[in-house]
Amino acid sequence: EAGVVQSPRYKIIEKKQPVAFWCNPISGHNTLYWYRQNLGQGPELLIRYENEEAVDDSQLPKDRFSAERLKGVDSTLKIQPAELGDSAVYLCASSPGRTNTEAFFGQGTRLTVV
Amino acid sequence: AQSVTQLGSHVSVSEGALVLLRCNYSSSVPPYLFWYVQYPNQGLQLLLKYTTGATLVKGINGFEAEFKKSETSFHLTKPSAHMSDAAEYFCAVSNFGNEKLTFGTGTRLTIIP
Repeated sequence: EAGVVQSPRYKIIEKKQPVAFWCNPISGHNTLYWYRQNLGQGPELLIRYENEEAVDDSQLPKDRFSAERLKGVDSTLKIQPAELGDSAVYLCASSPGRTNTEAFFGQGTRLTVV
Repeated sequence: AQSVTQLGSHVSVSEGALVLLRCNYSSSVPPYLFWYVQYPNQGLQLLLKYTTGATLVKGINGFEAEFKKSETSFHLTKPSAHMSDAAEYFCAVSNFGNEKLTFGTGTRLTIIP
């Protein structure tokens, strides 16, 4: 069974440029998460989807960040414009749903803003 | 609100020695508790989890953890460290009805040959 797939693995952009990350969750997983992991820190939730509905986006900086999960499958996280402080690893995870709380993580996208 | 405190950002043990990584949590409702491991440039892999039932939980690679409600702790142990255990370990908490995982800041485990 394929795991959570994220692309790209690495991205370097100049500040004020836009960037997008893509995630394909494990087949059949209704819950999808985007986490941000700063250097030396644990992951912090940005947004959680149940199917195509964003049920928790309280930590998403909505002035520059946006996300979508069309058709309740894969998802895209966008930053526009990027700032130096956005440099981090962006992790996508998926879970079967509320009866199973185990989250499966992708390898992440390491973003460097210069 | 939930929170996790991991005592010791860096832990070093000799190969073959006991591994003990500490985790204390705060949760206003019965917690679900997790330990994840992260190898360099990799995502997080679940080691073990506690939801309900037996408080001593066994996971992969010989790790186990015990949920102690009275101490609000979920420490991770392994009787004998192996070189391949060198990695970053994260403790996390969630609960039924709030599937958001709240992570600690992590503990980097170094194994001394």
